Amino acid sequence: DGGITQSPKYLFRKEGQNVTLSCEQNLNHDAMYWYRQDPGQGLRLIYYSQIVNDFQKGDIAEGYSVSREKKESFPLTVTSAQKNPTAFYLCASSLRTGQGLTDTQYFGPGTRLTVL
Amino acid sequence: RKEVEQDPGPFNVPEGATVAFNCTYSNSASQSFFWYRQDCRKEPKLLMSVYSSGNEDGRFTAQLNRASQYISLLIRDSKLSDSATYLCVGWVYSSASKIIFGSGTRLSIRP
Repeated sequence: DGGITQSPKYLFRKEGQNVTLSCEQNLNHDAMYWYRQDPGQGLRLIYYSQIVNDFQKGDIAEGYSVSREKKESFPLTVTSAQKNPTAFYLCASSLRTGQGLTDTQYFGPGTRLTVL
Repeated sequence: RKEVEQDPGPFNVPEGATVAFNCTYSNSASQSFFWYRQDCRKEPKLLMSVYSSGNEDGRFTAQLNRASQYISLLIRDSKLSDSATYLCVGWVYSSASKIIFGSGTRLSIRP
């Protein structure tokens, strides 16, 4: 089955700890994205990557870091510098970026992070 | 002003009714548009892409009006299972491509 997987589904962490969220896709998509969604809010872009070994900051990158060492994988680290990390984190991928319908994004099931 | 704006709702309509949402965008450089559906505590799922000529998929019709800078979604013969939040999404292509999500419109279908 082709798709995007995120793990874990639920994650709890203590304040002051870094935590890494996993995102894997087997759709052969070049572009991958990380979003954050707070209750009753829209999606906000954290980071995106258009190609392996390259990534760009989104609107709310502070307190987060990413890597893109493989086409299939785009892990997100929530660092202790992120002031309000409790949220629903969504990973997405698209065939390309900035080229019309190839921008169609497909989402993983999300990781719900709670900081205790 | 938000770059993509949606009426948050909730829209509460009876089963079988026709319901329409609009989404306005402020950046005339916006080129591609999509409607996504998001169920409670789930990920967004693509509902349909939006073309200038309009497109239809079963009970759903999407339309793009570039002159007035809005996108519409029409749902006919609504079902209980249509209850969800509908997200309007636009891509802006300039020196750096950018995707913008609306905050979503909540739809609740009652029996």
